[in-house]
This record gives sequence, C-alpha cells and structure tokens, in this order.
Amino acid sequence: GQNIDQPTEMTATEGAIVQINCTYQTSGFNGLFWYQQHAGEAPTFLSYNVLDGLEEKGRFSSFLSRSKGYSYLLLKELQMKDSASYLCAVRDSNYQLIWGAGTKLIIKP
Amino acid sequence: EAGVAQSPRYKIIEKRQSVAFWCNPISGHATLYWYQQILGQGPKLLIQFQNNGVVDDSQLPKDRFSAERLKGVDSTLKIQPAKLEDSAVYLCASSRSGNRNEQFFGPGTRLTVL
Repeated sequence: GQNIDQPTEMTATEGAIVQINCTYQTSGFNGLFWYQQHAGEAPTFLSYNVLDGLEEKGRFSSFLSRSKGYSYLLLKELQMKDSASYLCAVRDSNYQLIWGAGTKLIIKP
Repeated sequence: EAGVAQSPRYKIIEKRQSVAFWCNPISGHATLYWYQQILGQGPKLLIQFQNNGVVDDSQLPKDRFSAERLKGVDSTLKIQPAKLEDSAVYLCASSRSGNRNEQFFGPGTRLTVL
C-alpha cells in the first residue's frame, strides 16, 4: 500500500527553527508537495521537490532524498502566524496525489 | 485571478437528508478535484474531472455520493442520503490540465450531519 508518515504534532518557540519530517512509501514518485493549512481554511501551496536536494523560498526550505523516501520542511525565524498544519503529499506513478495526515505546528511566544 | 469558489461554506443537516455542494474552479483550469477532509486527517480524493469527464472516482462511495461537471467548468457534489460519518470539510481544488500541475484549493464546505 501507499503510505505517508508525518509527526502528528510539534511545538516550537517564536523566532526559532523547526524541521517537520515526512517519509513516504508510494508506487512510483513524481514529485513531493508541502502545503500549509490554517485551522478552518483550505491548504495553500508551499513548496515542490522532484529532484534530490534543498529548495529554499524565504523562511521556508524543503529537502528531498528520493533514495531514502524522505523529505523535510524547514521553517526559520518562526512567527506566531506559522501556527498551522503542514501537509506532505506525494505524486505517485499515476500522478495521483497521496496525502499525509498533516503535522500540527504550535508556536509558543 | 479569482480563486476557487465554493458554496455554501457551512451546512448542518440531519442524517438521511440530502445535501449538495457547488464549486467554480479557476478560469482555464481543466482539472477539478473534490476531496473529503475529516478533522485531523489529510484530504482524501473523492473524484477527479478532466474537463467534463471523470478521471478517477475510485474512492467515491457511489451508493450515496454523486458528482457532475456537465459543461466542464463548475461542478456539484451531492450526498443522498447523508450519514453521520460524512461530517467533514469538502474541498474543491483545480489545476491546469492534468495531474502535473499545482492544485489550488477553495475555502471548503464544512458539513455537519446530526
């Protein structure tokens, strides 16, 4: 079967750095997405990785290792508004998106 | 450009009643998705349209759920009759043609079945 694993919840302090991990087992791989979802709102696109390595976009970076079936999302200089759920999704061999359950990130002052 | 529009935003019904949700995708987006998201879980794909044709409805409970996209633009998702376990947020998303592109999500419809 296909599976995406993420921690259920993480807590971090305002101004700090946090890394949210995602491991996946899918039938084929055609890219990995990270989405941010604030409570009661729709997911919004954060990043996309299809090749190994680090993609940086402002305070957010995403890393991919296809051989290890592993990705992480790195958030720097955390702000209170970063409190949200972070969803990892992988596109399989049929280009269908397989979604993780999301990681709820709590930012404390 | 305008985003994905959905209505209603909230709906409360009793079990065994019927309900319908509407979605208008981003202009020019050929692919439309309906997802069900239960609290604390990731989105689950119910059905995917490419223009007005169904690409994937393998996870749609067809005994009670139906969806259509007659003119290849807006779409409706119906539940008849609703069960308690259908309580969830129903998200509509759209993308440019095919699965190779980023999906843009609408605000969702929060359904509560009592």
